Amino acid sequence: GQNIDQPTEMTATEGAIVQINCTYQTSGFNGLFWYQQHAGEAPTFLSYNVLDGLEEKGRFSSFLSRSKGYSYLLLKELQMKDSASYLCAVREQIPSRGMLTFGGGTRLMVKP
Amino acid sequence: EPEVTQTPSHQVTQMGQEVILRCVPISNHLYFYWYRQILGQKVEFLVSFYNNEISEKSEIFDDQFSVERPDGSNFTLKIRSTKLEDSAMYFCASALSGGGASSPLHFGNGTRLTVT
Repeated sequence: GQNIDQPTEMTATEGAIVQINCTYQTSGFNGLFWYQQHAGEAPTFLSYNVLDGLEEKGRFSSFLSRSKGYSYLLLKELQMKDSASYLCAVREQIPSRGMLTFGGGTRLMVKP
Repeated sequence: EPEVTQTPSHQVTQMGQEVILRCVPISNHLYFYWYRQILGQKVEFLVSFYNNEISEKSEIFDDQFSVERPDGSNFTLKIRSTKLEDSAMYFCASALSGGGASSPLHFGNGTRLTVT
């Protein structure tokens, strides 16, 4: 089984930087994914980490430490449209077939 | 960009009725999934499907649920006798590979099921 924890809510200011943390416990790690979900819409893929370190993708970066069971998503130059839920999801080796287990999501509110 | 499509976008049904939710995954994807999200709660795994059979299923996916890939393009979720607690958004997802760690799931826009 898995345990995935992330803060429920965060607030940040337009133009600022925000870091959303995720901790996980899993028996056989095979990748960590971040998704963005606007209210009433589908989750959309943002980033993926399987090795330790930082992956950068434009204004979004994601970091992984496998030994600590820890990841964060970093959002730079925040825009109002970044107000959404950010979902941390883990893929295990067994069972796999690609399934992801999601955390509860962090609802980010960006204020002017 | 190819996308996963789901129909209908909203389904209202009476308790005890059968519903079929439909999905067309991305055409070259091989792995298919159903997830659900009860309002205000997290995205929960229901079932994965590969090579025309169920790969994994959660404890939510009991005997009232079934999946089918009736042809080369559609992937359906059937709920045999709906209960009030089945009211949720149901997401279909597909992936190019399952074991490959870099293959993200691509989600459809969901079907909002309301059981009255």
